Amino acid sequence: DTAVSQTPKYLVTQMGNDKSIKCEQNLGHDTMYWYKQDSKKFLKIMFSYNNKELIINETVPNRFSPKSPDKAHLNLHINSLELGDSAVYFCASSQWTGGNYGYTFGSGTRLTVV
Amino acid sequence: QQQVKQSPQSLIVQKGGIPIINCAYENTAFDYFPWYQQFPGKGPALLIAIRPDVSEKKEGRFTISFNKSAKQFSLHIMDSQPGDSATYFCAASKNDGNKLVFGAGTILRVKS
Repeated sequence: DTAVSQTPKYLVTQMGNDKSIKCEQNLGHDTMYWYKQDSKKFLKIMFSYNNKELIINETVPNRFSPKSPDKAHLNLHINSLELGDSAVYFCASSQWTGGNYGYTFGSGTRLTVV
Repeated sequence: QQQVKQSPQSLIVQKGGIPIINCAYENTAFDYFPWYQQFPGKGPALLIAIRPDVSEKKEGRFTISFNKSAKQFSLHIMDSQPGDSATYFCAASKNDGNKLVFGAGTILRVKS
């Protein structure tokens, strides 16, 4: 059973389009995140939700809008896609457990904007 | 600016060698320091983590050394194997653990 699953795994789209990435976790974690990994493999947080409430919103263009319908789901909608949005987007979830923050990442969505 | 600096960028060792990856941080509010392993096409997976009240932590072949005064920590992989070939990331977070700040990553190749 996949703990954090994201769909789609690959997404190729044209500039200017709007697209969504879905994420679901079955770990019962309270907190979910979106991270972006650029072409140099640098990982940076974009958003964090705790029990459907937005708690971290980094300096991300407002074309990116996360939505959390419940604590097991965190989707990412991107409007007016640009070439620079091409990256791998990782969903993650976490829970404080006995000294560790128990972060679990999904397998990523590779977004290519052409 | 990069809050967690990681080196080297890449590393090649022979099977059985002990690769060492180093990280340094500036923010003294950080109090949780995990290491992640990432294989191609996969998400990062937690390897081992340490808190600043401990100078060393060992789990299997992986050891973290932590130097609080120098604000540095490192990952040692004992008896490295070709299957350890991956990208390794150090990270840090403050006491709420919500936001991980990652280093730039180290690509490790273990030659058989």
